[in-house]
Amino acid sequence: KAGVTQTPRYLIKTRGQQVTLSCSPISGHRSVSWYQQTPGQGLQFLFEYFSETQRNKGNFPGRFSGRQFSNSRSEMNVSTLELGDSALYLCASSDQVNYGYTFGSGTRLTVV
Amino acid sequence: AQRVTQPEKLLSVFKGAPVELKCNYSYSGSPELFWYVQYSRQRLQLLLRHISRESIKGFTADLNKGETSFHLKKPFAQEEDSAMYYCALGIEKLTFGTGTRLTIIP
Repeated sequence: KAGVTQTPRYLIKTRGQQVTLSCSPISGHRSVSWYQQTPGQGLQFLFEYFSETQRNKGNFPGRFSGRQFSNSRSEMNVSTLELGDSALYLCASSDQVNYGYTFGSGTRLTVV
Repeated sequence: AQRVTQPEKLLSVFKGAPVELKCNYSYSGSPELFWYVQYSRQRLQLLLRHISRESIKGFTADLNKGETSFHLKKPFAQEEDSAMYYCALGIEKLTFGTGTRLTIIP
C-alpha cells in the first residue's frame, strides 16, 4: 500500500502570498488530518476531514483553510502568509477502524 | 480541554539499561492514547496504541487512569531506539505532547 503522499516537499513563499498544499491519503482511508509542526509550538492540530466534511478544527486563524475531495484527497490553503507560518505541515490519514494515524513526510513551508 | 504532558525534553540512557518515557494526560472522558516515534530524517510513525495493548520493538505502555499516565517502557535499550518520541491523545483530533528526545549511549 502506498503511504500518505504530500506535495510539494518544499516551498518558499513571500509574505502576503497564499499557498496550497496537497495530501493524498492511503487508499481506503477517509479521514484526513493536518498538523503544523514548529520548534517552538511542537505539533498542533489544524483540522480534520471525513467524507468531504470538516469534523474538527484547531485554534488557527481563518487564513488557514482546507477541503477534502470525493476521492479523499485533501488540500490546505494558507492565505496572506506571515513569517510565523513557516513550519512543517503534516498530513495524516486514518481508516477509523484500527485507530491511529499514518503521517506523510510533510511539506516544509518557508515564508520570507 | 485535552492536554498531554511529557516532562522530559531530553533523556539519555545507556545501551542495555531500562527506558521509561513519561506521559501524563488531562481528559475528562475515556482517553484514546498513542505513542508516535520519529527517527532521524524519517516521518512520524505510530509506535503503540493503548487500545490494542501490543508490544512493538520491545516497547510497552500501560494506561493508568488513576494517575492519568501512559508511560512508555522498554526493559533493555538498543542504539536504534534513539529518536524523538511523542505521546498523543485523541481519535479524530490528536493532541500531542512536546516530545522527548531519547538518546541511547553505546
